[in-house]
Amino acid sequence: NAGVTQTPKFRVLKTGQSMTLLCAQDMNHEYMYWYRQDPGMGLRLIHYSVGEGTTAKGEVPDGYNVSRLKKQNFLLGLESAAPSQTSVYFCASARGLAGGTDTQYFGPGTRLTVL
Amino acid sequence: GESVGLHLPTLSVQEGDNSIINCAYSNSASDYFIWYKQESGKGPQFIIDIRSNMDKRQGQRVTVLLNKTVKHLSLQIAATQPGDSAVYFCAENGSSYKLIFGSGTRLLVRP
Repeated sequence: NAGVTQTPKFRVLKTGQSMTLLCAQDMNHEYMYWYRQDPGMGLRLIHYSVGEGTTAKGEVPDGYNVSRLKKQNFLLGLESAAPSQTSVYFCASARGLAGGTDTQYFGPGTRLTVL
Repeated sequence: GESVGLHLPTLSVQEGDNSIINCAYSNSASDYFIWYKQESGKGPQFIIDIRSNMDKRQGQRVTVLLNKTVKHLSLQIAATQPGDSAVYFCAENGSSYKLIFGSGTRLLVRP
């Protein structure tokens, strides 16, 4: 099993450009998440999904959109990139156990720089 | 190099010594806790978890202790090795779907 994979690993954008980050998991997990990680600020939840076709906002959703058309994939889109979106982006997935007693498994990250 | 955690608290230990990393959690209703390890340039990696009906759980060279009275979690690493150098995060289940992550502690192992 590859676990959670993310593409691309690195990307540089100019302000105003758009891009999509792809997350894929092969563990048949129900839940998927997108986080951003900035120096000294820990992991902040952008959007998440509790099943195919569903998405929900996290802590810092502004400027991002997501889609979960297939159970194994979770896409994060930036429609008009801003320098404030320079960050490392992590995708995670979880089985979706009742009661929230569930480990999240993380991908290797995408380092995005917006100039 | 990895820029995450420039201002994190740091624990420096001698190789071979035991390490103790502490975490205070926020929600007294949380009933599931996880420790993650994040090496430079990589994603967080699961180390060990514990449910609130336990106060101690052991893994290979790691032990997690939970004190619900004071909402405190600790990770003990026995015989710390250079490969243990990383940032360590605790997490609690903030709701049915989400985890709340601590800000992390950087562990440096001196040879």
